[in-house]
Amino acid sequence: AQKVTQAQTEISVVEKEDVTLDCVYETRDTTYYLFWYKQPPSGELVFLIRRNSFDEQNEISGRYSWNFQKSTSSFNFTITASQVVDSAVYFCALSQKDGQNFVFGPGTRLSVLP
Amino acid sequence: DTGVSQDPRHKITKRGQNVTFRCDPISEHNRLYWYRQTLGQGPEFLTYFQNEAQLEKSRLLSDRFSAERPKGSFSTLEIQRTEQGDSAMYLCASSLETGLDGYTFGSGTRLTVV
Repeated sequence: AQKVTQAQTEISVVEKEDVTLDCVYETRDTTYYLFWYKQPPSGELVFLIRRNSFDEQNEISGRYSWNFQKSTSSFNFTITASQVVDSAVYFCALSQKDGQNFVFGPGTRLSVLP
Repeated sequence: DTGVSQDPRHKITKRGQNVTFRCDPISEHNRLYWYRQTLGQGPEFLTYFQNEAQLEKSRLLSDRFSAERPKGSFSTLEIQRTEQGDSAMYLCASSLETGLDGYTFGSGTRLTVV
C-alpha cells in the first residue's frame, strides 16, 4: 500500500525565514510520482511540482526548492525567504506510474507571521 | 477555460436528506476524480472516471454514494440519506489521461449535515 507521512502538523515562522516541510513516502512500486500541492485559505488545491522516481535531481523554482532522496524515501520542500502569502496547508502526494492511486499526506499548516 | 468548477460551494442539509453535487472539469481533460477532505486531513480518494467510465471506487464510497459522468463531461456525486459523518469538503479534480501533470482541483463543495 502507498502511504505519505508529513510529520509536521503545523509550523510557524517569521517572514523572511527559510522553512522546510518534510515528506516521507512508502511504496512498493519502482516507478512512481511525487507531488506537492498548496491549499491556501480559499480552499483550492494548487499544483506546485511533480517529480518522477527516476529523477533525483533537486529542483529550484524561485523561492521554492525540492530535495528528493530516494535512499530515505523523502521529498522535502523548502521555501526560502518566506512571505505572508506562503501561509497555507501544504500537501505531499504520491501516485503510481500511470497517475492512479493518488495518495495525499495529512498536510502541514504553515503560518508565516509578519 | 477557467478551470474546474464545482457547484454549490456550500450545502447545509438535514440528516437523512439526499444531496447532489456537480463538477465541471477542464474541457480537454478526460479524467475526473472525486475526493473527500475532512478538517485537518488530506484529501481522500473516492472515485474516478475516464471519459464516462467509472474505473475505480474507494471502499470509502458506501452504497449511499453514487457518482455519474453520463457524457464524459460534467459529473455528479449524490449522497443519499446523509449522515453527520458525511460532513466534509468534496473536491473534484480533472487531469489529462496520464494524470502525471498533476490534477487540477476545483474549489470544492463544503457539506454540513445537521
